[in-house]
Amino acid sequence: AQSVTQLDSQVPVFEEAPVELRCNYSSSVSVYLFWYVQYPNQGLQLLLKYLSGSTLVKGINGFEAEFNKSQTSFHLRKPSVHISDTAEYFCAVSDGSNDYKLSFGAGTTVTVRA
Amino acid sequence: NAGVTQTPKFQVLKTGQSMTLQCAQDMNHEYMSWYRQDPGMGLRLIHYSVGAGITDQGEVPNGYNVSRSTTEDFPLRLLSAAPSQTSVYFCASSYSAGQYGYTFGSGTRLTVV
Repeated sequence: AQSVTQLDSQVPVFEEAPVELRCNYSSSVSVYLFWYVQYPNQGLQLLLKYLSGSTLVKGINGFEAEFNKSQTSFHLRKPSVHISDTAEYFCAVSDGSNDYKLSFGAGTTVTVRA
Repeated sequence: NAGVTQTPKFQVLKTGQSMTLQCAQDMNHEYMSWYRQDPGMGLRLIHYSVGAGITDQGEVPNGYNVSRSTTEDFPLRLLSAAPSQTSVYFCASSYSAGQYGYTFGSGTRLTVV
């Protein structure tokens, strides 16, 4: 089974500053990678996904992520955050051979301050 | 579209009581899963189903049962509630999780006293 490590549990950031959330996963021949966002008291919403092809993936709300196979990483970035980006972010991985089973990281809480 | 609907949104149980968390989806998705979310631990898979009549255990199945008699519904049963089952429970569905990711319900916050 895949394991997922989100390297930062809390990331405070000022409004309009850039943010990077780090995610590493255990190696596999083929993986599908996801980032989800959870706003307070809500369910999870898909931000973006990597299935194959270009290693730079663009998602909703100005987020993007870069897949690095050699470093088994899938870091999430946004060049300029807003107060409304305050949320918890989860990295998730599914093994290509068992793609219905998602493994989640522990989450990173992003707090955007004015 | 309703998407994934979970009921109830909140529940308080006494130790030893049983209950069923309901989950329904209207997207004709084959894959459905139950996760629990605990602080600092992310989401952990309890049970999953790849179609009607087919279920299997995830990483934390003890104390929970599931069944999948229809494509739409995937209820989660707590057999004898324990304080360790205090958590937020999410149901999710997908046409094909690897291709599209899962659509999540809004969650059920369960407290066992």
